[in-house]
Amino acid sequence: KNEVEQSPQNLTAQEGEFITINCSYSVGISALHWLQQHPGGGIVSLFMLSSGKKKHGRLIATINIQEKHSSLHITASHPRDSAVYICAVNRGGTDSWGKLQFGAGTQVVVTP
Amino acid sequence: NAGVTQTPKFQVLKTGQSMTLQCAQDMNHEYMSWYRQDPGMGLRLIHYSVGAGITDQGEVPNGYNVSRSTTEDFPLRLLSAAPSQTSVYFCASSYTVGNEQYFGPGTRLTVT
Repeated sequence: KNEVEQSPQNLTAQEGEFITINCSYSVGISALHWLQQHPGGGIVSLFMLSSGKKKHGRLIATINIQEKHSSLHITASHPRDSAVYICAVNRGGTDSWGKLQFGAGTQVVVTP
Repeated sequence: NAGVTQTPKFQVLKTGQSMTLQCAQDMNHEYMSWYRQDPGMGLRLIHYSVGAGITDQGEVPNGYNVSRSTTEDFPLRLLSAAPSQTSVYFCASSYTVGNEQYFGPGTRLTVT
């Protein structure tokens, strides 16, 4: 079982809809990252979280440390939001310190 | 700043050949790492470094070597290429562990 689980695997939305992607993890972490990978393959960092909530434009990321869960929300979705969204965690603990572990990704398609 | 650069962009190798994938960053980042991305598997950590002269193994280190003689460069060496190493390889860096990750554009490697 992957220690970082994302849901859903795939998501199709109509332009303007509100999108939520979920990430659950079962290990101790020092930080959680949301990444975006476009069809061309490039990967960019959207958020890095260790607590609470962050907002950037139409994107909102939240994390609940006690429940080991994070969500990425896209408000007023647009076709240019079509991409793979990846959750990743920085492992905590002396044995795993420094290691980044990834979810399998969520393929998002936004149709006009 | 050029950010994180990777060369080459594409490479085809025959089984048993060796080669080095280059990664460089000009942001004075301490943390650098190598990942491979395979369909349906997500990103997996190969090796990482928390500073010059310090490297450690990730999730899938077999068949790969790294060294970090300078802050800027973190090459990945394939010792004897195998078809199972056909993948897309990404290098990434961050200021330190747990900070925002910056990814290179990737190297698509095919081993025949």
